[in-house]
Amino acid sequence: GDSVTQMEGPVTLSEEAFLTINCTYTATGYPSLFWYVQYPGEGLQLLLKATKADDKGSNKGFEATYRKETTSFHLEKGSVQVSDSAVYFCALSEDFKTIFGAGTRLFVKA
Amino acid sequence: GAGVSQSPSNKVTEKGKDVELRCDPISGHTALYWYRQSLGQGLEFLIYFQGNSAPDKSGLPSDRFSAERTGGSVSTLTIQRTQQEDSAVYLCASSFDRGVGETQYFGPGTRLLVL
Repeated sequence: GDSVTQMEGPVTLSEEAFLTINCTYTATGYPSLFWYVQYPGEGLQLLLKATKADDKGSNKGFEATYRKETTSFHLEKGSVQVSDSAVYFCALSEDFKTIFGAGTRLFVKA
Repeated sequence: GAGVSQSPSNKVTEKGKDVELRCDPISGHTALYWYRQSLGQGLEFLIYFQGNSAPDKSGLPSDRFSAERTGGSVSTLTIQRTQQEDSAVYLCASSFDRGVGETQYFGPGTRLLVL
């Protein structure tokens, strides 16, 4: 069945460091791919998405490119801020079901 | 506009009791989802409603779990004879349609603790 695997956390970075959170997936068809973020004390919210191969989703300085050849959707940001501290979930949607990864907790130190 | 709301925000119950969790989706959203998030875990799909179609219950972990959606809007997730392993955050989400690329909008969740 479909699955999403993302790097285990926590990830701890200093402010202005470069961030990569790896995400790979398995799917039988052509899913849409998402990154959701959960800030402390808040609900999950969409960060970015890509609906077909080679699409790049971007928001708030974060980017992820849908790589069909490597079945990956890695999340990147060039310069993280303390306010980026949160849990990040990679997800895929095929048909109506959305499959979420286990989440990666990011801590950014000032 | 109002987002997805859930109630109660926190629920503490004794083992063996029944609980009801409520979700009010965004107005006009036809699709509604329930997930469970256990401590340190990802989101576990429970059930999905789309319009007036029969729900997909394939994610419900046991027959103690059930859900209904009245009038295509409000949904209630019921857990009967609660067990300690049911302790988790229960999240509800809605989307405008069931399309593959549709964004889901999440509620704040109900934190359930079974003693």
